[in-house]
Amino acid sequence: QSVLTQPPSASGTPGQRVTISCSGSSSNIGSIYVYWFQQVPGTAPKLLISRNNQRPSGVPDRFSGSKSGTSASLAISGLRSEDEADYYCAAWDDSLSAAVFGGGTKLTVL
Amino acid sequence: QLHLQESGPGLVKPSETLSLTCTVSGGSISSSTYYWGWIRQPPGKGLEWIGSVYYIGSSYYNPSLKSRVTISVDTSKNQFSLKLTSVTAADTAIYYCARSIWRTSPEFDFWGQGTLVTVSS
Repeated sequence: QSVLTQPPSASGTPGQRVTISCSGSSSNIGSIYVYWFQQVPGTAPKLLISRNNQRPSGVPDRFSGSKSGTSASLAISGLRSEDEADYYCAAWDDSLSAAVFGGGTKLTVL
Repeated sequence: QLHLQESGPGLVKPSETLSLTCTVSGGSISSSTYYWGWIRQPPGKGLEWIGSVYYIGSSYYNPSLKSRVTISVDTSKNQFSLKLTSVTAADTAIYYCARSIWRTSPEFDFWGQGTLVTVSS
């Protein structure tokens, strides 16, 4: 029942390209920036993509973000074993006046 | 390099108040550029924004928790704190403190390691 909807799981083989979707509404993704976080089990989340498609310093260019209307996507190219983690999208929701997160997508590298 | 560290009791009884402090090092909490927030994560579940505070003391809360939450800042100690009243088992979670760039944004670029708080008698 998260405000932002993500698939619970995704998978790919090393070297493959995978995408993770995030669906929202006009009060969040449709009107403002989307952010993506990577969380390796047992560690704190890490900002992966900011303001729809900006990579913070140190984030490999294998990671990219995009937004269209009320949906957003995170793409990971050249998949590596260390990419196995949980990925969360986030945005500000104007109607709720709150930061909201997706339920998270567990990425498995086969 | 900025570092955030959460501290506080790991066990709180039901109906009591959860109190946590985040100590910021490697940078000033009094910077006009940033907001300081709390985010929690129940075991095995997703992330929930609790609220944020600005260095002058202005605070902003998730409406779902607003009636029970107070976030304050102590610039002399470079710390900010969370108080959550009337806790129940549903408040059991890993609590993270983090820095954000805008008030109306989950652009949390630096995070603490998190601290597990269990609500149990």
